Amino acid sequence: DVKVTQSSRYLVKRTGEKVFLECVQDMDHENMFWYRQDPGLGLRLIYFSYDVKMKEKGDIPEGYSVSREKKERFSLILESASTNQTSMYLCASSLGGTGRSHEQYFGPGTRLTVT
Amino acid sequence: DQQVKQNSPSLSVQEGRISILNCDYTNSMFDYFLWYKKYPAEGPTFLISISSIKDKNEDGRFTVFLNKSAKHLSLHIVPSQPGDSAVYFCAASVWGGKSTFGDGTTLTVKP
Repeated sequence: DVKVTQSSRYLVKRTGEKVFLECVQDMDHENMFWYRQDPGLGLRLIYFSYDVKMKEKGDIPEGYSVSREKKERFSLILESASTNQTSMYLCASSLGGTGRSHEQYFGPGTRLTVT
Repeated sequence: DQQVKQNSPSLSVQEGRISILNCDYTNSMFDYFLWYKKYPAEGPTFLISISSIKDKNEDGRFTVFLNKSAKHLSLHIVPSQPGDSAVYFCAASVWGGKSTFGDGTTLTVKP
């Protein structure tokens, strides 16, 4: 079974702090994604990566950056946390590549509260 | 511009009856469609998918129907069970697994 783990289930940070959210997958997937989920807004893509050191902006990248130094690890960075970044953050991975499975495997999520 | 829409935020059905969840999309370039299920405090899990070259895919109690001319897909759950109560997300993808998600429909199955 594919396993996607996230470094924290719950996190409380202060406004202005730099926040790191870590995600690790164990199935050699090429693609990795960061989403945030807010009530009534579904899953919104922040950034994704289709290879090591490669990244592309999603729908809502403002205020976030990412890092993918190793294939299995994808980090989301909030450079200066703000209260409007309080949300559930979900990491996912997928096989990637043309004609291959599109299914994404999600981690359990990190509930981030910025005070 | 929301490319994937789930117009019903919630749906309530009786145990044993059929649940039908609907999803509309606008981008004709989407070539793969997926449904995910999410329980509270957990990440979404993949449920069922369909390629744009098909119009139906079935897996046990779950069937997904795709109507490309109407840009509409639906998920049928028969028979519905209380354990099916969850949020269901529709998703559509164009390339390499990058998906666009709908806002979700909360399904409640009453015993």
